[in-house]
Amino acid sequence: QSALTQPRSVSGSPGQSVTISCTGTSSDVAGYKYVSWYQQHPGKAPKLMIYDVTKRPSGVPDRFSGSKSGNAASLTISGLQAEDEADYYCCSYAGTPTHVVFGGGTKLTV
Amino acid sequence: EVQLVESGGGLVKPGGSLRLSCAASGFTFSSYAMNWVRQAPGKGLEWVSSISPGSRYIYYADSLRGRFTISRDDAKHSLSLQINSLRAEDTAVYYCARVPLYCSTTSCCDSWGQGTLVSVSS
Repeated sequence: QSALTQPRSVSGSPGQSVTISCTGTSSDVAGYKYVSWYQQHPGKAPKLMIYDVTKRPSGVPDRFSGSKSGNAASLTISGLQAEDEADYYCCSYAGTPTHVVFGGGTKLTV
Repeated sequence: EVQLVESGGGLVKPGGSLRLSCAASGFTFSSYAMNWVRQAPGKGLEWVSSISPGSRYIYYADSLRGRFTISRDDAKHSLSLQINSLRAEDTAVYYCARVPLYCSTTSCCDSWGQGTLVSVSS
């Protein structure tokens, strides 16, 4: 069982918006402003989409946005495109001794 | 261009050992913290270990501490992961990943290798 809880799957139509949730505890998501999100296509390495809760690395479209409230973080993808279909993982810093925890992943179907 | 190339995976019997390597290029390796992250077949991502620049700080996932040893050789631009007492549940693709300078902790990775598969079976 993963430390962070994500829905197993979400779906949306092209052009719509979807939100993927990531629920943790006071020891990880709620305790720090260090949540990141990764996109992974089948057979490929993960790609960083969001870091420090809301920040986007260079090159990531602004259709991807992150937020956090209490022990829950969210990734919102607006203007869904076919290429957004992938698995998405949240990740949080969790302090000592756990350090880093991932969510179980969410499969997005467009 | 940032490149990370893992090697050293393979089929190992339970109880055996493996040393995974990650060759880095295209950036100043010594300045970056590095991570190992694994993914069991059909499963999610699992953080394994982190090492800071200069090897000053080293961290392991609670469940793996004691059997896994991370190290780096900045002169050779290389990251390593020694795994002992291998178990079936260690079967996974092992990725090395770079922590970008703009991240405040090692919980984010901006560049990943293609991964190396470790299979543990008798």
